[in-house]
Amino acid sequence: DAGVIQSPRHEVTEMGQEVTLRCKPISGHNSLFWYRQTMMRGLELLIYFNNNVPIDDSGMPEDRFSAKMPNASFSTLKIQPSEPRDSAVYFCASSFAGWTGELFFGEGSRLTVL
Amino acid sequence: AQSVTQLDSQVPVFEEAPVELRCNYSSSVSVYLFWYVQYPNQGLQLLLKYLSGSTLVESINGFEAEFNKSQTSFHLRKPSVHISDTAEYFCAVSEEGGADGLTFGKGTHLIIQP
Repeated sequence: DAGVIQSPRHEVTEMGQEVTLRCKPISGHNSLFWYRQTMMRGLELLIYFNNNVPIDDSGMPEDRFSAKMPNASFSTLKIQPSEPRDSAVYFCASSFAGWTGELFFGEGSRLTVL
Repeated sequence: AQSVTQLDSQVPVFEEAPVELRCNYSSSVSVYLFWYVQYPNQGLQLLLKYLSGSTLVESINGFEAEFNKSQTSFHLRKPSVHISDTAEYFCAVSEEGGADGLTFGKGTHLIIQP
């Protein structure tokens, strides 16, 4: 069975450009999480969805960030406009209903904003 | 809200020596505890978890962790490390019965020296 799939794996863009990161969770999982990893701040939870509904987006840094989950098999994280301080690795993770805390992570999208 | 403290950002150890990676947490409710491992350029993988029952939990590759409620700790140990154990290790906590994602520590980089 395929794991969590993220794309692109690497993205290099210029400041001011729009960036869209994509995630396909494991089939059957109904919770999806977006995390950001930087050297300075470690792993930060940005937003999570249960049954495609955003539950908590308090971790989203500012209005430039938005996330959607139009169906159970797809989610996007968009940054518009991007800034150099957004450079990080963005991870998507999914989990089962009746959740005990085990998250299954994708391999991440490394974003560099010049 | 819960929090996780990993006291060491980096732990150098000689090959075949024992190692302990420290993790302390704080929470006002019962928790689930996890250790995740991140190899270079990869996502996080679950190493082991404590949900309930025996306070000593083990992984398939020789790591173990012990839940100590009185000391609010969940330290990770291995009696003899290998070069292949070189990675970043993250301790994480979630609230029992909750589904709000995991709160991660900042990680400990385990460096195995030959």
